[in-house]
Amino acid sequence: AQTVTQSQPEMSVQEAETVTLSCTYDTSESDYYLFWYKQPPSRQMILVIRQEAYKQQNATENRFSVNFQKAAKSFSLKISDSQLGDAAMYFCAYQHDKIIFGKGTRLHILP
Amino acid sequence: DTGVSQNPRHKITKRGQNVTFRCDPISEHNRLYWYRQTLGQGPEFLTYFQNEAQLEKSRLLSDRFSAERPKGSFSTLEIQRTEQGDSAMYLCASSPGFGYTFGSGTRLTVV
Repeated sequence: AQTVTQSQPEMSVQEAETVTLSCTYDTSESDYYLFWYKQPPSRQMILVIRQEAYKQQNATENRFSVNFQKAAKSFSLKISDSQLGDAAMYFCAYQHDKIIFGKGTRLHILP
Repeated sequence: DTGVSQNPRHKITKRGQNVTFRCDPISEHNRLYWYRQTLGQGPEFLTYFQNEAQLEKSRLLSDRFSAERPKGSFSTLEIQRTEQGDSAMYLCASSPGFGYTFGSGTRLTVV
């Protein structure tokens, strides 16, 4: 069965600094997608970034980038120049058919 | 298109009552998913539809839960004889194939 593990329940970062959230997953599939979703206190899930497993190049979206290590089944999220609005729960997610979510990392931004 | 719409936003019900939630997906998305999320946890998969066909149901979906998607458009999730353990946020998402767009969710409180 596919699983997604986020080992950091909470993290804090100073505003304008860089933070990396960790994620590992387990699958026997070769074709899949990986995502990071953000869930602010308003609770609507928002897609931050996605990575297709067949692509070797790491995805980047403005201040957000990933480090995708397929052999290690690792998919970390780096947030550069952290802003107060980045404070939220971040969920790592894997999709082959349906999406499976990790338990989340709560990110605090310190002013 | 205004995205995925869920109604109601909040529902308070007495234990033992039946409740029904509605989800209107993005019109061109053929896949529709239901998830349940409790406080501080990641969303847990309940069931999903491709068009009108219900393709998978989680073991979490007891016989008190039923979901429908008539004509492959909107979907309903019904919970019969609600229990306090059913209190959660129920999330709906739609997808064209990979990656989801989430609705704002329906928060159910069973008293």
